[in-house]
Amino acid sequence: AQSVTQLDSQVPVFEEAPVELRCNYSSSVSVYLFWYVQYPNQGLQLLLKYLSGSTLVKSINGFEAEFNKSQTSFHLRKPSVHISDTAEYFCAVINSGNTPLVFGKGTRLSVIA
Amino acid sequence: NAGVMQNPRHLVRRRGQEARLRCSPMKGHSHVYWYRQLPEEGLKFMVYLQKENIIDESGMPKERFSAEFPKEGPSILRIQQVVRGDSAAYFCASSPRGGSTDTQYFGPGTRLTVL
Repeated sequence: AQSVTQLDSQVPVFEEAPVELRCNYSSSVSVYLFWYVQYPNQGLQLLLKYLSGSTLVKSINGFEAEFNKSQTSFHLRKPSVHISDTAEYFCAVINSGNTPLVFGKGTRLSVIA
Repeated sequence: NAGVMQNPRHLVRRRGQEARLRCSPMKGHSHVYWYRQLPEEGLKFMVYLQKENIIDESGMPKERFSAEFPKEGPSILRIQQVVRGDSAAYFCASSPRGGSTDTQYFGPGTRLTVL
């Protein structure tokens, strides 16, 4: 069975500082990986995804994540955060066999002015 | 181009009552997924439906919960005889093709409170 571990439940960071949100997964087959963001009282929005090809994927708002197969990780990074990045971030995995999307417990990013 | 719609946004029920949650997928999407989010937890898959068919209900509790996605109208998640432990946020997502690589688009959720 697949599982996703987000190692940090909360990450406080000062504005304009860099941030890394960690995500590790376990699966015995090929996987596709996703990061979703949830703003307060809203649904989840897709931030970026890895399906195949280049292991480094980027979002339009400056986030990037790198798929590392040997370490089974898909950490999310941003070199300089803004107040508006304050939200909960969820890592998710699905395998090529079409089993359900499995989410981590989430990391709450708080950007401090 | 409207996104995934869910209603009601907030629902309060007393123990033993029924809760009906509705989800209208994005235009052109025929695949619907329901997830439950408990406090301090990630989303847990409940059920995956196509029009008039349940494809995967491996995450649905065996009793009191049911889901449908009729030919016409929204998908409905129904919880009978609610208990306090059913209090959670319920999210619906839709996708156009239903494959593993298909992005799922989420609605704003229905927050169910059971008194």
